[in-house]
Amino acid sequence: KAGVTQTPRYLIKTRGQQVTLSCSPISGHRSVSWYQQTPGQGLQFLFEYFSETQRNKGNFPGRFSGRQFSNSRSEMNVSTLELGDSALYLCASSLRQGANYGYTFGSGTRLTVV
Amino acid sequence: GDSVTQMEGPVTLSEEAFLTINCTYTATGYPSLFWYVQYPGEGLQLLLKATKADDKGSNKGFEATYRKETTSFHLEKGSVQVSDSAVYFCALIFFSNDYKLSFGAGTTVTVRA
Repeated sequence: KAGVTQTPRYLIKTRGQQVTLSCSPISGHRSVSWYQQTPGQGLQFLFEYFSETQRNKGNFPGRFSGRQFSNSRSEMNVSTLELGDSALYLCASSLRQGANYGYTFGSGTRLTVV
Repeated sequence: GDSVTQMEGPVTLSEEAFLTINCTYTATGYPSLFWYVQYPGEGLQLLLKATKADDKGSNKGFEATYRKETTSFHLEKGSVQVSDSAVYFCALIFFSNDYKLSFGAGTTVTVRA
């Protein structure tokens, strides 16, 4: 059974550019969440999608956006990149919303903004 | 708001030593609690979980018990191996409208042969 797949694994972008990251959840999982991991702030929740609808959003500026497709694959987009956006972006999928179903994480996309 | 506090690292141990990582939480209500592990260059892996008070989660020799009275979920392993070297995260989530995981800062554990 394939796990959560995130592409690309590594990305280098220039300040001011925009970037799109992709996440393919485990087959059958309908909930996809995104997290940002940095040495200074740790793991922070970005947003969660379920059945193509954003159900919850963290405290990030509007430059961070996402979407979910009918096959549950999700993308997140960051516009007007800043140096502080350099981070490991992790995607997690779950069968449904809710704690008891568990969340499976992908290996992440390492974004470096220069 | 909800928060998780973990003991700060790094923690360095010898093989076969006893490992304990303290985790306490602040939350209004009774969250579900998790321990995740992150190996170098990888994402997070669910290590164990507990969804109600007095539940004990266990996996790969690791254990943690959900203690409502002390709002704690300490991780323990009786005999660590070099392969247990990783960063460990305690996390909580509420089975409600807010489905986000709130993580602790992480504890880096290094086990020496």
